[in-house]
Amino acid sequence: QVQLVESGGGLVKPGGSLRLSCAASGFSFSDYYMSWIRQAPGKGLEWVSHISGSGTTIHYADSVKGLFTISRDNAKNSLYLQMNSLRAEDTAVYYCARERSSRGAPDYWGQGTLVTVSS
Amino acid sequence: DIQMTQSPPSLSASVGDRVTITCRASQSISSYLNWYQQKAGKAPKLLIYSASSLQSGVPSTFSGSGSGTDFTLTISSLQPEDFATYYCQQSYSTPKTFGQGTKVEIK
Repeated sequence: QVQLVESGGGLVKPGGSLRLSCAASGFSFSDYYMSWIRQAPGKGLEWVSHISGSGTTIHYADSVKGLFTISRDNAKNSLYLQMNSLRAEDTAVYYCARERSSRGAPDYWGQGTLVTVSS
Repeated sequence: DIQMTQSPPSLSASVGDRVTITCRASQSISSYLNWYQQKAGKAPKLLIYSASSLQSGVPSTFSGSGSGTDFTLTISSLQPEDFATYYCQQSYSTPKTFGQGTKVEIK
């Protein structure tokens, strides 16, 4: 069965960096777009970024463009999010999700990892 | 960016009620509209994709309709396990924006 397990969250000071990972199993990882979606405490969902199966097509939300970098390692069935220059407003649970296609719905989600940006 | 507007923000309903949630896009998104259910402390769960296609394993009490800019999620007979927050999302273009959510509470 499809499984997505995020890791790497934690407490970081403003201006700091963090790298999130998502380990995928149960499907042909390289065949799917993968995305990061976040949810600030008590707030709604915000799509952050996605990457094509080959890694050649990448899109970001304006709120993270130039600050976050999405990448993948198909040999390791892993998705990553490098987050730099973190701000308090980046505090959220970060979910990785599988997307059915470039215009597809995120159909499987991980359990999420909490990132807290605070001094 | 495409803005997604959900209504109502919250509603109270009883078990067995028919519930309708609407979602409006700021421009045409064809049928690239998805619906999710989220329970407290859990990841969202895909219910409906492409406006009206039921995700595998989702009860048939859930249905979706619409195209262009106006969409609807209907729960034909509300069950105790359906009390949750529901989100729409457009996947027509990036960023794949979400609506602000509709919290369905017990009356």
